[in-house]
Amino acid sequence: GDSVTQMEGPVTLSEEAFLTINCTYTATGYPSLFWYVQYPGEGLQLLLKATKADDKGSNKGFEATYRKETTSFHLEKGSVQVSDSAVYFCALRADSWGKFQFGAGTQVVVTP
Amino acid sequence: GAVVSQHPSRVICKSGTSVKIECRSLDFQATTMFWYRQFPKQSLMLMATSNEGSKATYEQGVEKDKFLINHASLTLSTLTVTSAHPEDSSFYICSARPLVEGYEQYFGPGTRLTVT
Repeated sequence: GDSVTQMEGPVTLSEEAFLTINCTYTATGYPSLFWYVQYPGEGLQLLLKATKADDKGSNKGFEATYRKETTSFHLEKGSVQVSDSAVYFCALRADSWGKFQFGAGTQVVVTP
Repeated sequence: GAVVSQHPSRVICKSGTSVKIECRSLDFQATTMFWYRQFPKQSLMLMATSNEGSKATYEQGVEKDKFLINHASLTLSTLTVTSAHPEDSSFYICSARPLVEGYEQYFGPGTRLTVT
């Protein structure tokens, strides 16, 4: 079945450091890929998405490129801020009915 | 636009009682709503998919008699946890798929259920 694997956390960084969170997936067909962010005590917010191979999603300084050849969708940000501290979920949606498959989540802690 | 709300945001109930959680799409109509459960420091697990006016489809391992889902209108779905027990304590999140857009999905802020 479909699955998403993302790197375990917590990832602890200093402010202005470079962030990478690895995400790989297994799916039949051509899924859409997403990154969601969850701040403490809150629900999920869509951070960015890509719907086909080689698409790059970007938002708030975060980027991720849909790599079909490596089945990956790694999240990157060049300079993190304390406010980026959250849990980040990689997810895929394999069909139009909207069922998501989420990764386990990666907690990111950014220190001043 | 595309806001999904949940009520209550937090609820504490006693073991054996039932609790209802509402999920509303505030500015769009939703053909389909999804209910997820999130354990502490873990990922979201899909519990069920509900379509307006029809019975919900439950994922394997989810007790449909325990987690009653009703999607009576295009803007409201409810999840009722019946005869709650401490192991039902969790963070429940809904999402809604708009009638018009088709493929987008918007998540609610979640409801923290604590069963004592």
